[in-house]
Amino acid sequence: ETGVTQTPRHLVMGMTNKKSLKCEQHLGHNAMYWYKQSAKKPLELMFVYNFKEQTENNSVPSRFSPECPNSSHLFLHLHTLQPEDSALYLCASSQAPGQGDYNEQFFGPGTRLTVL
Amino acid sequence: AQSVAQPEDQVNVAEGNPLTVKCTYSVSGNPYLFWYVQYPNRGLQFLLKYITGDNLVKGSYGFEAEFNKSQTSFHLKKPSALVSDSALCFCAVRGIRSSASKIIFGSGTRLSIRP
Repeated sequence: ETGVTQTPRHLVMGMTNKKSLKCEQHLGHNAMYWYKQSAKKPLELMFVYNFKEQTENNSVPSRFSPECPNSSHLFLHLHTLQPEDSALYLCASSQAPGQGDYNEQFFGPGTRLTVL
Repeated sequence: AQSVAQPEDQVNVAEGNPLTVKCTYSVSGNPYLFWYVQYPNRGLQFLLKYITGDNLVKGSYGFEAEFNKSQTSFHLKKPSALVSDSALCFCAVRGIRSSASKIIFGSGTRLSIRP
């Protein structure tokens, strides 16, 4: 297992529900990421946080709302999702990136989300 | 623009035989290249990376990858496959001048090792 944990591992929710995904890293990293992994599609980077500040939002719909209260924790708040949002949501962390850095990302096990 | 291609959806190999999973890339300037593997119900695990130096990079679980600049390739290899190597393999690339968050992942290749 890596030093990145995610809860819950599985989540089933209706389109009108509100839920949150949680990620915690124990590696002393300063950057955290949310990815979406759908069947037969490449990994999609959703959000990036460096030192608790959001530095990237890849045109993600507002029904996904990230929160990073500190460098070790990352949340993804979900509301009024659509069935096509069903996917594996992966959290990752790394040393704070910058140009010229080459630090690899460490991934959590993911949350398998099903939207009914 | 950066891009990475994994031309094979699946690679099937008998246990004990060598395996190769193909990856080609396109970046401006020199690349940083990575291989990750994903086992069932798990997140991605880092296998190895190429930054500079020797073209043959050795990584976890006996995997290695060969950087070929002229062919813009970074194929994953293992001399003798194990059934436990069966997984989804992802190649990733970042241009040296790009932000570290701009890692582009390939679409993945399913590696299936039969006994």
